Amino acid sequence: GESVGLHLPTLSVQEGDNSIINCAYSNSASDYFIWYKQESGKGPQFIIDIRSNMDKRQGQRVTVLLNKTVKHLSLQIAATQPGDSAVYFCAEKLSSGGSNYKLTFGKGTLLTVNP
Amino acid sequence: EPEVTQTPSHQVTQMGQEVILRCVPISNHLYFYWYRQILGQKVEFLVSFYNNEISEKSEIFDDQFSVERPDGSNFTLKIRSTKLEDSAMYFCASSALPQLLETQYFGPGTRLLVL
Repeated sequence: GESVGLHLPTLSVQEGDNSIINCAYSNSASDYFIWYKQESGKGPQFIIDIRSNMDKRQGQRVTVLLNKTVKHLSLQIAATQPGDSAVYFCAEKLSSGGSNYKLTFGKGTLLTVNP
Repeated sequence: EPEVTQTPSHQVTQMGQEVILRCVPISNHLYFYWYRQILGQKVEFLVSFYNNEISEKSEIFDDQFSVERPDGSNFTLKIRSTKLEDSAMYFCASSALPQLLETQYFGPGTRLLVL
């Protein structure tokens, strides 16, 4: 079954608004989570990561929140800009069971920023 | 800023033909990965590689696939006899270390089309 999934396949926001992209995961053994941004024709670009012993982590204009109780991850983008338009993936990494290397990706959310 | 590069950007091949996808990981990285993304689907892990050995592989990575680090800079993925269902974007990634919290950086991908 799918271990990582996204609640909203598409999200459309106005420039300047804040965006929230959600992700659910089902594997409680996952200890590390990453958000990637993928623009059309390009590879996934690292945005921000968070360890399972943290609830929140902030970067430049982005914040990731982790709720382990409900196995939920979110990416908040402040003051969304047209350049933020892309597909956003969450990915998880397992810490045990021999899967120390691979990332498991969610399906992605398409964020469209309207000027 | 160092980045992962991949060649070619696009490849079209006939079913049954062999293809080799090439990657140049970030120069001080030691761990290398291949992922693929079928159009409209999630990014899927194929294989991880370290010290000239496969560290982990998925069920997708069957006997038709092989990886090699032929020299100090290149990392290749070979598909011996391509099938229609091999059509996808193939992403190479690298990380400095394989530890749990080590970020994987992705290349721009090679779009493979099998006819």
